[in-house]
Amino acid sequence: DAGVIQSPRHEVTEMGQEVTLRCKPISGHDYLFWYRQTMMRGLELLIYFNNNVPIDDSGMPEDRFSAKMPNASFSTLKIQPSEPRDSAVYFCASSLYNEQFFGPGTRLTVL
Amino acid sequence: AQSVTQLGSHVSVSEGALVLLRCNYSSSVPPYLFWYVQYPNQGLQLLLKYTTGATLVKGINGFEAEFKKSETSFHLTKPSAHMSDAAEYFCAVTKYGNKLVFGAGTILRVKS
Repeated sequence: DAGVIQSPRHEVTEMGQEVTLRCKPISGHDYLFWYRQTMMRGLELLIYFNNNVPIDDSGMPEDRFSAKMPNASFSTLKIQPSEPRDSAVYFCASSLYNEQFFGPGTRLTVL
Repeated sequence: AQSVTQLGSHVSVSEGALVLLRCNYSSSVPPYLFWYVQYPNQGLQLLLKYTTGATLVKGINGFEAEFKKSETSFHLTKPSAHMSDAAEYFCAVTKYGNKLVFGAGTILRVKS
């Protein structure tokens, strides 16, 4: 199994630009999670889906952030417009029962 | 609401010494408990988990943890530290097996 796949692994962009992060969960998993990790705030849950339906988006910081899961094998996290304070590592994770499997993360730098 | 407290943001041990990373949780119902490890520039990897049954749980890389309900603790131990154990460790709790609440993490340093 390839595990959770995230792309890109690194993204450098300028303030105001749109950023799209992508995630392919493990086949057969019915939950998908998006996390953000920073030195200051640690690991934060942004949003999670069950069977492609958003269940809890209370962690999404503001309207500039949006997430979609059009099918069971693909999800996106979009930031528009991006700001320097969005710089972080963004992780995607998927699970079937109670064990979450994490992707390698996308390191986002907003200049 | 559930919460997790990891005592000590940094722990330093000598190679071959006992590793003890502390985790206390609060939960209104019997929880599921997890320990994850994160190596530099990588995602989180599950070390071990407690759901039901035996309270002493063994995981990968020689780690184990004991669920103590009376103390609301789930401390992680390893009898003998190895240089390759240097990483950041996260304790997490969930009530229904889906949304995890993570502790702030403990960075383990292993001295030669």
